[in-house]
Amino acid sequence: SQTIHQWPATLVQPVGSPLSLECTVEGTSNPNLYWYRQAAGRGLQLLFYSVGIGQISSEVPQNLSASRPQDRQFILSSKKLLLSDSGFYLCAWSPQGDTQYFGPGTRLTVL
Amino acid sequence: SQQGEEDPQALSIQEGENATMNCSYKTSINNLQWYRQNSGRGLVHLILIRSNEREKHSGRLRVTLDTSKKSSSLLITASRAADTASYFCATDFWGGGNKLTFGTGTQLKVEL
Repeated sequence: SQTIHQWPATLVQPVGSPLSLECTVEGTSNPNLYWYRQAAGRGLQLLFYSVGIGQISSEVPQNLSASRPQDRQFILSSKKLLLSDSGFYLCAWSPQGDTQYFGPGTRLTVL
Repeated sequence: SQQGEEDPQALSIQEGENATMNCSYKTSINNLQWYRQNSGRGLVHLILIRSNEREKHSGRLRVTLDTSKKSSSLLITASRAADTASYFCATDFWGGGNKLTFGTGTQLKVEL
């Protein structure tokens, strides 16, 4: 069966520090991968999605970036965090469309 | 924006009652999906209804889709305290490239 992992589960970082969140999927190959951010009490905002290794599409201009170095690995990064980057970050995978399966999320607090 | 909008934003009912949540969207879709999110957790897929379907059932869940009105509803029958969560609709719209656009969610509270 397929599983999706995200780490860390929680993170507290100072403004201006770098960020690296990792997402890995097991039990499938060539999945579509997605990064979302959810502000408190709000819906999900799609940040990045990828249909293959090295193929990244950005949905919202910001100081975040994403990379897909391996088929089942998706990384969200920032060189310098802003206060507004605080939120709940969710990774999801999809078998080439339709239903998306979400990881447990990372709660990021930027102070 | 193609974002779905859920209505109501919050809903509080007693255990055993039915809960109905509505979702409206703006453009033509391939499918519409409903997800559930328990507080502080990831989203769990509940049900998918395609644009050529009008109604779908899964256990205590019933979803309807009216493409002429660009709206969908999720009915949870005989609700339980464990159904307390936020519910989101998500649309896969034509030309969207396998991306989902999520609504703002309905917070459901089921009280004993």
